Amino acid sequence: SQQGEEDPQALSIQEGENATMNCSYKTSINNLQWYRQNSGRGLVHLILIRSNEREKHSGRLRVTLDTSKKSSSLLITASRAADTASYFCATPPYGGSQGNLIFGKGTKLSVKP
Amino acid sequence: DAGVIQSPRHEVTEMGQEVTLRCKPISGHDYLFWYRQTMMRGLELLIYFNNNVPIDDSGMPEDRFSAKMPNASFSTLKIQPSEPRDSAVYFCASSLGGASQSPLHFGNGTRLTVT
Repeated sequence: SQQGEEDPQALSIQEGENATMNCSYKTSINNLQWYRQNSGRGLVHLILIRSNEREKHSGRLRVTLDTSKKSSSLLITASRAADTASYFCATPPYGGSQGNLIFGKGTKLSVKP
Repeated sequence: DAGVIQSPRHEVTEMGQEVTLRCKPISGHDYLFWYRQTMMRGLELLIYFNNNVPIDDSGMPEDRFSAKMPNASFSTLKIQPSEPRDSAVYFCASSLGGASQSPLHFGNGTRLTVT
């Protein structure tokens, strides 16, 4: 069963602007992960945020987690054309084992130079 | 570290033929996952292994699909017989400790086209 759902489905911005993508999920989690996928390539892990964390940074990326609202956001600051990709959130599945990840359908980000 | 290696990168086959996809996980990782990605359904988990043992294969579409992990450094996903609706990109991923503890590392996928 799908756990995470990203919003918006597509986002188009100019280079230098900030991009914000949101993820909502349905049940309790122990962590939430964000991945990037460039066209024709595999997914690349960006950030893992645990349920007891509220915010995490990695370079130009900032992830927040609000467990009371069951939502997370990924902010990319000062975007570059190279950030053009699809971005996915993922969590362990509801009611299932904690070993695997269930992915949302992603946000397709286009950064125009 | 070479990362997760999948082969072949592209596979084109005719309906009814057997297809075998291969994966070499990152050395030392104890979890291995097979996902399928399509435009319509997104990323779907097919099966995953822990220490070479299948843990959850509930995502395998039907009996035409089978997966094996004979040792810690190799896994296969087989489709027999293949059908046009199996056309998708198939990803293998591995992790240390499972998704509840650590991130997944993905290969670059096998793009399968069944005509």
